[in-house]
Amino acid sequence: QQQVKQSPQSLIVQKGGIPIINCAYENTAFDYFPWYQQFPGKGPALLIAIRPDVSEKKEGRFTISFNKSAKQFSLHIMDSQPGDSATYFCAASIGGATNKLIFGTGTLLAVQP
Amino acid sequence: KAGVTQTPRYLIKTRGQQVTLSCSPISGHRSVSWYQQTPGQGLQFLFEYFSETQRNKGNFPGRFSGRQFSNSRSEMNVSTLELGDSALYLCASSPVLGYEQYFGPGTRLTVT
Repeated sequence: QQQVKQSPQSLIVQKGGIPIINCAYENTAFDYFPWYQQFPGKGPALLIAIRPDVSEKKEGRFTISFNKSAKQFSLHIMDSQPGDSATYFCAASIGGATNKLIFGTGTLLAVQP
Repeated sequence: KAGVTQTPRYLIKTRGQQVTLSCSPISGHRSVSWYQQTPGQGLQFLFEYFSETQRNKGNFPGRFSGRQFSNSRSEMNVSTLELGDSALYLCASSPVLGYEQYFGPGTRLTVT
């Protein structure tokens, strides 16, 4: 119940395409869902996060779609660029009294020029 | 503001030794969490601290321990190192619990 399942494991898109990364969870107590971007040799960088009271959130070219009834959320990257090539992690936590994040397994994204 | 800093960045140790890793959170942040990242297990939660108190602990053996100081800086210690402890150890900080967390660059630990 503590797992967050992430797919696909890897993804290749052309520049300008819209990669979509999906995550699913079981624990309905999760109420905070961030996405992190990680480049080789670096720590994960917070991209965007959502709470279950909204179905969509946009920040720049990054959009989270959230489906509470299906217990799924996804990341869309609009107008993807080669510089977006990185590993993306979804995560979930039970907010309030803890910062413990349960991470997905990661998606390696390659954006080809 | 300066980001989360971790020292050292790279470390090579021998099996059976112990190691101490340090994390300085973003100024004003009072919560620090630690994660282990490996290719096989991914990102796994180790423990979190808030106001010098351990609030939560992940499923790791007692060889893994940590503490937080009054200035919010944190250290984690791994005793009796095993080959499987080779990993990237990441520290994250946030202003309070239940808020956005920001990660440091990590300490790459290699156990030989």
